[in-house]
Amino acid sequence: DAGVTQSPTHLIKTRGQQVTLRCSPKSGHDTVSWYQQALGQGPQFIFQYYEEEERQRGNFPDRFSGHQFPNYSSELNVNALLLGDSALYLCASSPLAGEGETQYFGPGTRLLVL
Amino acid sequence: GQQLNQSPQSMFIQEGEDVSMNCTSSSIFNTWLWYKQDPGEGPVLLIALYKAGELTSNGRLTAQFGITRKDSFLNISASIPSDVGIYFCAGPIFKAAGNKLTFGGGTRVLVKP
Repeated sequence: DAGVTQSPTHLIKTRGQQVTLRCSPKSGHDTVSWYQQALGQGPQFIFQYYEEEERQRGNFPDRFSGHQFPNYSSELNVNALLLGDSALYLCASSPLAGEGETQYFGPGTRLLVL
Repeated sequence: GQQLNQSPQSMFIQEGEDVSMNCTSSSIFNTWLWYKQDPGEGPVLLIALYKAGELTSNGRLTAQFGITRKDSFLNISASIPSDVGIYFCAGPIFKAAGNKLTFGGGTRVLVKP
């Protein structure tokens, strides 16, 4: 049973560029959430997708956008990259977008913006 | 917004020692989650707590859901070197049809030199 997978594992970009990160949820899960984890801090919620729609969003600018596909996989897009966007980007999946369900995390994509 | 405060921020362990850490919030949570994160990896779920007062174990790990629903505790008994890592508490915040996790700042567990 494959867990949550993310690609790529590492990425280096320069300021102003755009980046796309990818996530495949755990088998049987239909809800995908994205988190940003800066060095030395806990993960911060970016947004959550369910049934191909954004259901919740954290305090992140519109430069951060996402998409969910019919097979439940998801992409995170970040436009006009800033140095401060350097972080570990984590994808988490859960069976339902409902109360009580815990989220399972992938290994993350480490993004460095130069 | 809601915040989770973890203490201690870091601790040193010696093999065989018992370790305790806690997480507090100014708001009530109906679920408490404990994750461990190793360097370069994503957080791994250790224990989930769903009921106030609940005490749950997972091997050498024991976690408790505080009666007030504003705190939780994690204990590690007879620590071993692979217990080193960052431990996060997290609580889900439910809105409409979705839920997001709020994380504490983490407790870093290090090995005594």
